[in-house]
Amino acid sequence: DIQMTQSPSSLSASVGDRVTITCRASQSVSNYLNWYQQKSGKAPKLLIYGASSLQSGVPSRFSGSGSGTDFTLTISSLQPEDFATYYCQQTYSPLYTFGQGTKLEIK
Amino acid sequence: QVQLQESGPGLAKPSETLSLTCTVSGGSISSYYWSWIRQPPGKGLEWIGFINNGGTTSYNPSLKSRVTMSVDTSKNQLSLILTSVTAADTAVYYCARDRRLRPGVDGLDVWGQGTTVTVSS
Repeated sequence: DIQMTQSPSSLSASVGDRVTITCRASQSVSNYLNWYQQKSGKAPKLLIYGASSLQSGVPSRFSGSGSGTDFTLTISSLQPEDFATYYCQQTYSPLYTFGQGTKLEIK
Repeated sequence: QVQLQESGPGLAKPSETLSLTCTVSGGSISSYYWSWIRQPPGKGLEWIGFINNGGTTSYNPSLKSRVTMSVDTSKNQLSLILTSVTAADTAVYYCARDRRLRPGVDGLDVWGQGTTVTVSS
């Protein structure tokens, strides 16, 4: 199985901050890397697919980059509604795997 | 637009077989893959597996011996069967539309609201 490791596991930040979350794969996943946002009690929401493509309807302050084994999700200027948990997921292998999640909290 | 709705028993006893359904409305089940994902209380997301209407499946190796997925195109429904459940199977179960192998896109773009399953005697 391909293991996905996110860092940090939790993060405190303020409205307006620039935030970066990292996801590392145990082997190359090319650009088959997706990012999701999950708010408490809700289903996850797709933010980024293909490592860097913005899903329709997602604000442009979200961006993704990387290929191979190392990926980042960046939020350019945090808004109050962005405080949530973020997950990466690889779909390179037909045995999908998620990262353990990064909880983004208000400082 | 496409909407997904999971349904299930809510409560199951240890060793029983769990059966969940995902009803797809606003679109055809035929053109996509469909994934099931679960989330134990207070924990992260665990991918269970995917299926398409042609019967192609892939299951999480940790669950493979206990999982069966199927598609009923006449009802536009997906089903998930999990046998020999234990307390460790207590979770919110989600179905999601999977854009696997579609040109230029990827990811699970439409999710149901989830159904909570508690395994307890």
